[in-house]
Amino acid sequence: AQKVTQTQTSISVMEKTTVTMDCVYETQDSSYFLFWYKQTASGEIVFLIRQDSYKKENATVGHYSLNFQKPKSSIGLIITATQIEDSAVYFCAMREGGASSSFSKLVFGQGTSLSVVP
Amino acid sequence: EAAVTQSPRSKVAVTGGKVTLSCHQTNNHDYMYWYRQDTGHGLRLIHYSYVADSTEKGDIPDGYKASRPSQENFSLILELASLSQTAVYFCASSWTGGAYAEQFFGPGTRLTVL
Repeated sequence: AQKVTQTQTSISVMEKTTVTMDCVYETQDSSYFLFWYKQTASGEIVFLIRQDSYKKENATVGHYSLNFQKPKSSIGLIITATQIEDSAVYFCAMREGGASSSFSKLVFGQGTSLSVVP
Repeated sequence: EAAVTQSPRSKVAVTGGKVTLSCHQTNNHDYMYWYRQDTGHGLRLIHYSYVADSTEKGDIPDGYKASRPSQENFSLILELASLSQTAVYFCASSWTGGAYAEQFFGPGTRLTVL
């Protein structure tokens, strides 16, 4: 069964620095997709970035990037030049299956709470 | 305009009572989902649907029913609410159930069962 684990419960960083949040996953499937979502203090959940398992290149969107280490089943989220508004809970999630799969459930990690302080 | 809306945003229910949580999406998505979030935990899938008038069980369906009367609307029903169902419930939608598809979430409904 697929499983996603985030061991960092909370992280605090200074504004304008770089932070990395860890995530490891378990899957028996050769094809899968990894996602990071952000949950703001208001509870809103937004999609940030996705990594396709068959791609060697790390995904990058704005000041978010991923550190995909497939042999270690690890997908870290890197936020550069952090801002106060980056303070939120970040969830790692995974969906098994290839691009043509009909349905695959999204399995979430426990979340990492990030505080960005001035 | 928010594409996935939920009502109510919060609710207090009594043990044994019936609770209905509603979700409406304007994304024109086929797939809709109900998740539960407990304090300090990630989201867990309760039910999902890929077409009107049909629902499927997720990972934790016990104690919950779902209804999809139209493509836009998806409800979660607690026939006999229990204390253990106190949580925040999120609705989401995606255009496909495929593994690569991102999901778009509603704002959540905070349910307290007393």
